[in-house]
Amino acid sequence: AQTVTQSQPEMSVQEAETVTLSCTYDTSESNYYLFWYKQPPSRQMILVIRQEAYKQQNATENRFSVNFQKAAKSFSLKISDSQLGDTAMYFCAFMKRAGRDSNYQLIWGAGTKLIIKP
Amino acid sequence: DTGVSQNPRHKITKRGQNVTFRCDPISEHNRLYWYRQTLGQGPEFLTYFQNEAQLEKSRLLSDRFSAERPKGSFSTLEIQRTEQGDSAMYLCASSFYPKQFFGPGTRLTVL
Repeated sequence: AQTVTQSQPEMSVQEAETVTLSCTYDTSESNYYLFWYKQPPSRQMILVIRQEAYKQQNATENRFSVNFQKAAKSFSLKISDSQLGDTAMYFCAFMKRAGRDSNYQLIWGAGTKLIIKP
Repeated sequence: DTGVSQNPRHKITKRGQNVTFRCDPISEHNRLYWYRQTLGQGPEFLTYFQNEAQLEKSRLLSDRFSAERPKGSFSTLEIQRTEQGDSAMYLCASSFYPKQFFGPGTRLTVL
């Protein structure tokens, strides 16, 4: 069974600073996806970034980038030039790359509450 | 609006009552997931549909829970004889592999 661990329950940084959120996972699968989702207060879950395990290059989406260390089973999210609107719960999630006809449910970490202070 | 919608957004009920939630997915997506999220935790998988077929249910989904997706369009999740432990956010995700797009959720409070 797969597990996802986020060891930082809460973090806070000043606006414009860079922050890194940690995530580790455990799996015996060799092919999978990793995701970071953002859940703002009272709003819906939004996909921030996705990494395919077979790709060595770290994914980047504007101010968001990941540090994917497959051997260490680590998948951290870096937010550069943080903004007030980045305040949210951030969830790390794992998906087996099982093919579109299989159950590709997401396995989730417990989340990190990120607060951006003005 | 072409996103995922869920209704109602909030539901308060008394223990023992039945409740039903609805999810309207993105129209071209044939896969639909239900998750449950309790306070301070990440979501947990409940069940999923491929078109109108319910293909897998989690152990979390007791006999009091039933889900349907008639004609492969919207889906409903019903909880019978609600218990206080059912209080949670119920999330629906519309999926086109490997992406999952979430609705705003239905927050259930059982008194």
